[in-house]
Amino acid sequence: QLQLQESGPGLVKPSETLSLTCIVSGGSVSSSSYYWGWIRQSPGKGLEWIGTVYYSGSADYNSSLKSRVTISIDTSKNQFSLKLSSVTAADTAIYYCARLNWGLLGYFDYWGQGAQVTVSS
Amino acid sequence: SYELTQPLSVSVALGQTARVTCGGDNIGTKNVHWYQQRPGQAPVLVIYRDSNRPSGIPERLSGSNSGNTATLTISRAQAGDEADYYCQVWDSSSFVFGTGTKVIVL
Repeated sequence: QLQLQESGPGLVKPSETLSLTCIVSGGSVSSSSYYWGWIRQSPGKGLEWIGTVYYSGSADYNSSLKSRVTISIDTSKNQFSLKLSSVTAADTAIYYCARLNWGLLGYFDYWGQGAQVTVSS
Repeated sequence: SYELTQPLSVSVALGQTARVTCGGDNIGTKNVHWYQQRPGQAPVLVIYRDSNRPSGIPERLSGSNSGNTATLTISRAQAGDEADYYCQVWDSSSFVFGTGTKVIVL
């Protein structure tokens, strides 16, 4: 059974960089059949797609966050990562990693449990 | 940018049928996916590509998509169906989620 687990600091200071890693078990991020993504949910709000990455390292980002986001993949460690720079309180959210099935037209079929990240000094 | 509009909440009596709508411009030409999110939990995929159920999802949940509206139907509603539901599509190189609907089982 595929499992995803987010890890990283739960508290980040304003203007600094948020960094999270998603560790994948029970499957391989090297598979050419899937993409891997990050989605966030602000307190009491809906879901917002942040970006996705392919095993080759090719990534796509939400245009509203593109200037601040980098998603990378490490096939040797079977994990992928999110970096969001120059954070503000508006970036406080639960951050989920997920597997994207059926290509770039697809759906997120496996999700991590989520990592709460608070931006505060 | 593409927008998906859902009702804020839908109430349904135990054992009855609830319908959650997802409105978008010509959404019938897109593939729509649905997620269920119970309080304090991660979203779970319940319908993919308009009307397909992943393994483990009961047949009571079904989906349809036509024109400007996609619909998630919950038949014979149970207490465990009480959750937030989100639709999702891909449009112009971006994944778009609906605004979310809280289903309340009375």
